[in-house]
Amino acid sequence: KQEVTQIPAALSVPEGENLVLNCSFTDSAIYNLQWFRQDPGKGLTSLLLIQSSQREQTSGRLNASLDKSSGRSTLYIAASQPGDSATYLCALPSGPSQAGTALIFGKGTTLSVSS
Amino acid sequence: DAGITQSPRHKVTETGTPVTLRCHQTENHRYMYWYRQDPGHGLRLIHYSYGVKDTDKGEVSDGYSVSRSKTEDFLLTLESATSSQTSVYFCAISEGTGRRELFFGEGSRLTVL
Repeated sequence: KQEVTQIPAALSVPEGENLVLNCSFTDSAIYNLQWFRQDPGKGLTSLLLIQSSQREQTSGRLNASLDKSSGRSTLYIAASQPGDSATYLCALPSGPSQAGTALIFGKGTTLSVSS
Repeated sequence: DAGITQSPRHKVTETGTPVTLRCHQTENHRYMYWYRQDPGHGLRLIHYSYGVKDTDKGEVSDGYSVSRSKTEDFLLTLESATSSQTSVYFCAISEGTGRRELFFGEGSRLTVL
């Protein structure tokens, strides 16, 4: 059974710092991996999706990498801003290839960026 | 933003009463999901649908039922609500093919007294 772990559970950094959020998974036979952002009291917003054949994806100041062999993905945030404060979750399908397979989520890393 | 609307957004009810949450999408996506989010447990799948009238159970399906009579609507029903079902419920949709990216609604906060 696929398990997803995110460490640390919480992170506080000063504005302007570059930071890395980690996501580990137990089964490397994945179809893709998705990173989400959740603001307090809100739904989840999709940030980046990496297909299993890709090594990384970039969107603005965000860069997500995927290393299937080690069961890890990282989300790199450059030049952090107070507006980046939120909970970041990674998720991947519970099965490798079945269409529409539901996602299994990590418990998230809550990021606080101070000005 | 993906066109996903959840209703009601907030509901307070009493133990033993039936509750129905509605998810409506305008994206014509084939797959729809209901998750619940709880402190310490994160997001857990309740039920999902892979087409009209086609549904299956998730990790925490006990006490819940679902129905999908139209592509755009996915209903989650608590037949007899219990305090353990106090949670935030999220609907999500996916095309199920290609990128299989998941998009979420804003959530429905349910309190069972």
